[in-house]
Amino acid sequence: DAGVIQSPRHEVTEMGQEVTLRCKPISGHDYLFWYRQTMMRGLELLIYFNNNVPIDDSGMPEDRFSAKMPNASFSTLKIQPSEPRDSAVYFCASSFSGGVYEQYFGPGTRLTVT
Amino acid sequence: AQSVTQLGSHVSVSEGALVLLRCNYSSSVPPYLFWYVQYPNQGLQLLLKYTSAATLVKGINGFEAEFKKSETSFHLTKPSAHMSDAAEYFCAVSDLSGNTGKLIFGQGTTLQVKP
Repeated sequence: DAGVIQSPRHEVTEMGQEVTLRCKPISGHDYLFWYRQTMMRGLELLIYFNNNVPIDDSGMPEDRFSAKMPNASFSTLKIQPSEPRDSAVYFCASSFSGGVYEQYFGPGTRLTVT
Repeated sequence: AQSVTQLGSHVSVSEGALVLLRCNYSSSVPPYLFWYVQYPNQGLQLLLKYTSAATLVKGINGFEAEFKKSETSFHLTKPSAHMSDAAEYFCAVSDLSGNTGKLIFGQGTTLQVKP
């Protein structure tokens, strides 16, 4: 298996622009998680899905953030408009409910908003 | 509710020395516990997991962890540190009491290995 795939790996954008991060989970996994990691705040859970349905988005910092999962093999995290404080590494992870819930992480997208 | 506490945000050892990273958990139900490792500029990688089968769990790269219910601990050890072990390590517990499918992560411990 290719593991969790994220794109792009790096994104540099200007304040006010729309940013879309993409994630392909491991085939057969029914949970998908979006995390954000910064030096100041550590690893934060933003939102997660089960069977393509958003379960908990309480970690989404503001309405500027939105996430979708149109099918079992694709999810997006969108920031519109972006701000410098959104600069962070964003991780996607997936897991299978038939196991013990261990999560498998993608390589992350490093976002820089100038 | 489940929670995880990692004692020590930074641990420094000499190459060849014992590595001990501490993790204590709180759980109202028998837990599933995990250690993840994050190398610079990479995602988190599963190092090992405890699922109640055996209290001593062996993982990749020579790491192991022992589940101690009486101490609510799941400390990570390695007999001899290598320079390549320098990374950040996260302990996590499954949110089984809430049945949410989430993992609850500790704040992480950065391991420095000195030559």
